[in-house]
Amino acid sequence: DQQVKQNSPSLSVQEGRISILNCDYTNSMFDYFLWYKKYPAEGPTFLISISSIKDKNEDGRFTVFLNKSAKHLSLHIVPSQPGDSAVYFCAASANRDDKIIFGKGTRLHILP
Amino acid sequence: GAGVSQSPSNKVTEKGKDVELRCDPISGHTALYWYRQSLGQGLEFLIYFQGNSAPDKSGLPSDRFSAERTGGSVSTLTIQRTQQEDSAVYLCASSSGAKTLTGELFFGEGSRLTVL
Repeated sequence: DQQVKQNSPSLSVQEGRISILNCDYTNSMFDYFLWYKKYPAEGPTFLISISSIKDKNEDGRFTVFLNKSAKHLSLHIVPSQPGDSAVYFCAASANRDDKIIFGKGTRLHILP
Repeated sequence: GAGVSQSPSNKVTEKGKDVELRCDPISGHTALYWYRQSLGQGLEFLIYFQGNSAPDKSGLPSDRFSAERTGGSVSTLTIQRTQQEDSAVYLCASSSGAKTLTGELFFGEGSRLTVL
């Protein structure tokens, strides 16, 4: 039972354009959401997070949007850069004490 | 070291053998997680330790899998009678626990297990 779903296994975006990565969740108890980035042969690294009391969080080129009614969140990267090519994982937890559940990831390719 | 350390980085074993994977979390981190990533799959939750609480073992795929965390620090994931479907990268992560502002996990580089 996938509680966190990333339905696009891959995405290709032209350098300089906006990358939008989507994530859906099924557990209405989730109240904390995170995005991680993973390069090959490395562990995932934290990118950005959002609490359910907010609908937007921005950090430089990265913005996460949360739509609680739709149980949907998205990560926007603008402008996209070659170094952004990686696998992006969406993750969620029911509270900050609880386990963190990850989606299957979306592989982002930034095209020159 | 400053980060999460995992060993071995690579392990090749024969079907039916037992394996142990080790994780040294960041010093002072109270929360420790094990995940695995099979080929083409996402990060599958296995087990979660938080302080002195009983571990959340709900993600362990079978009773061949077990994990312990000694002294609230180092953790060992043990897989008994390995099967080919156990082949994956096993990732350990730690965090400073409930009171962090971000809940951020710090991951190790993983232990790649190949069962022949």
